[in-house]
Amino acid sequence: DIVMTQSPDSLAVSLGERATINCKSSQSVLYSSNDKNYLGWYQHKPGQPPKLLIYWASTRESGVPDRFSGSGSGTDFTLTISSLQAEDVAVYFCQQYYTTPHTFGQGTKLEIK
Amino acid sequence: QVQLQQSGPGLVKPSQTLSVTCAISGDSVSSNSVAWTWIRQSPSRGLEWLGRTYYRSKWYNDYALSVKSRIGINPDTPKNQFSLQLNAVTPEDTAVYYCARTRAGVLDYWGQGTLVTVSS
Repeated sequence: DIVMTQSPDSLAVSLGERATINCKSSQSVLYSSNDKNYLGWYQHKPGQPPKLLIYWASTRESGVPDRFSGSGSGTDFTLTISSLQAEDVAVYFCQQYYTTPHTFGQGTKLEIK
Repeated sequence: QVQLQQSGPGLVKPSQTLSVTCAISGDSVSSNSVAWTWIRQSPSRGLEWLGRTYYRSKWYNDYALSVKSRIGINPDTPKNQFSLQLNAVTPEDTAVYYCARTRAGVLDYWGQGTLVTVSS
């Protein structure tokens, strides 16, 4: 199985400041034939199901605010929230869908400083 | 708008079978462009992808090796739903179980989650 490791485990950021979450895969999730990274990001708030934010490592899902962006390739990826809002408090997960099982990172808890 | 509505018992005895159903509206379980997936979440295991079913001229399943000997994911085309069965459960199977639609690999619509506790 591909192991997904996120850092940090938790993060406290002031409102309006930038938040950066990292995700590393144990093997590349870049498919050379189409040059796509099979990596997604999800936001999970208590009592709700996870919400898809980003797919193909950097494509925002419809309706997701443009303060959320994804970057990276191969084995190293980043989710950036450019200006933290109160409603962004949540746990964030990365997931690889390069090969089954589609494994998740352990999650990063984002709080307001 | 796709909606997934889960149903199933919240308490299962050890060694018995866990069963959760996911009713689909706004899409078809027989769609040949998506898959239908089960995931669970627990404090000890985090988010764990369990498996999926999908139709591409015939039905296919993929399962995580960790549960492959105990799991079944089955479509029900007349009712437009799919179900999860997990046999011989232990307390380690206690988790919130989610169904989701998989589109090009990502989980774009999720059910509300079902907390299943394995306890006598």
